[in-house]
Amino acid sequence: EPEVTQTPSHQVTQMGQEVILRCVPISNHLYFYWYRQILGQKVEFLVSFYNNEISEKSEIFDDQFSVERPDGSNFTLKIRSTKLEDSAMYFCASRKTSGGAGGELFFGEGSRLTVL
Amino acid sequence: AQSVTQLDSHVSVSEGTPVLLRCNYSSSYSPSLFWYVQHPNKGLQLLLKYTSAATLVKGINGFEAEFKKSETSFHLTKPSAHMSDAAEYFCVVRQEGSQGNLIFGKGTKLSVKP
Repeated sequence: EPEVTQTPSHQVTQMGQEVILRCVPISNHLYFYWYRQILGQKVEFLVSFYNNEISEKSEIFDDQFSVERPDGSNFTLKIRSTKLEDSAMYFCASRKTSGGAGGELFFGEGSRLTVL
Repeated sequence: AQSVTQLDSHVSVSEGTPVLLRCNYSSSYSPSLFWYVQHPNKGLQLLLKYTSAATLVKGINGFEAEFKKSETSFHLTKPSAHMSDAAEYFCVVRQEGSQGNLIFGKGTKLSVKP
């Protein structure tokens, strides 16, 4: 069964360092997402990506964050200068269909980021 | 604004007994609602979804949920719990007008006792 894969599963970094989280969405999917879950809090939407550009982003997704799909396969989330409050589990998701009812999001297993 | 409220942060049941995980939603239109499950160290897996078709929705692993507009509820049930059902369960609503953006509840941790 096709699945979304994420790497690394866990990354520890020093505050101020750049971090890149990688995701390989399901191959025929068109819509891509990043969500995050700070420990003990809700899963929160960060950004959606379609047709090689950001389609929507939340207030959390400030200038420190960026996404790209450099090679048509990987979908990356970059945090330029990490802060302590960026420590969270980051989930990548992908979706095959366009908007409207249905169109299930398939999630990866998450990348846990710990900022020291 | 749309939201979902999961009324219990933790539910504990005995194996073989029924499961009820409660969720209420807030939405000004007919929502798309989902239940996702997260097993330890695993990703989020879709259990079932409601998209304005039948109000009683059957999902995987014997779970089902009933959409009740009058009560703004979408509770998740299973007649008989298995040990393997122990996980965190999230009630989710699709954000209106978005391209699939989801709004998650806080989650309910289900424990199953032998």
